[in-house]
Amino acid sequence: GAVVSQHPSRVICKSGTSVKIECRSLDFQATTMFWYRQFPKKSLMLMATSNEGSKATYEQGVEKDKFLINHASLTLSTLTVTSAHPEDSSFYICSAPGGRSYEQYFGPGTRLTVT
Amino acid sequence: KQEVTQIPAALSVPEGENLVLNCSFTDSAIYNLQWFRQDPGKGLTSLLLIQSSQREQTSGRLNASLDKSSGRSTLYIAASQPGDSATYLCAVRYSGGGADGLTFGKGTHLIIQP
Repeated sequence: GAVVSQHPSRVICKSGTSVKIECRSLDFQATTMFWYRQFPKKSLMLMATSNEGSKATYEQGVEKDKFLINHASLTLSTLTVTSAHPEDSSFYICSAPGGRSYEQYFGPGTRLTVT
Repeated sequence: KQEVTQIPAALSVPEGENLVLNCSFTDSAIYNLQWFRQDPGKGLTSLLLIQSSQREQTSGRLNASLDKSSGRSTLYIAASQPGDSATYLCAVRYSGGGADGLTFGKGTHLIIQP
């Protein structure tokens, strides 16, 4: 199956700083990628749809100025959490659809802890 | 808004038993449905994908069914093993056109006792 990677896998940052998370499709091209957030013992919630070469589409309640998404190439999308606060601590996972069946392939996730 | 519900929230059974996990969704206009496995602190592993036109998919000891009209899917696990212990997530993609993300259920936390 297709492989999606994320970097870093874990990051700890201080409140007020910004953190960038990368999502890469390793063996296929993805014009669209998705970013999800998962709080402890909760399910995944879609945050935004990342579109190659155009602006991201954000879900209701997600601050676009806080969660900056850039999809500069067909294999890379980045999520930047700006001015991070402790409540932003979460597990962030990206996915990309592949193949004609539009199966979603997920990255391994990034654990963000804001102190 | 599409809602996905999974029952039970948690399940603990002895090794060797067959078991069924349930998923229901409120809007039957789906494009496909995917079952995932998530181990603690890890990402998602795709188990089975069912297109809206399909009734079931099988992979090894796993069988997933889809009844779009009633808004239900089941994941059947045969001859369960301790290594099957994980959280199982059901997710639905709308058929609204364009690129849509998935709507997830809260998952079923499964423990297989050795």
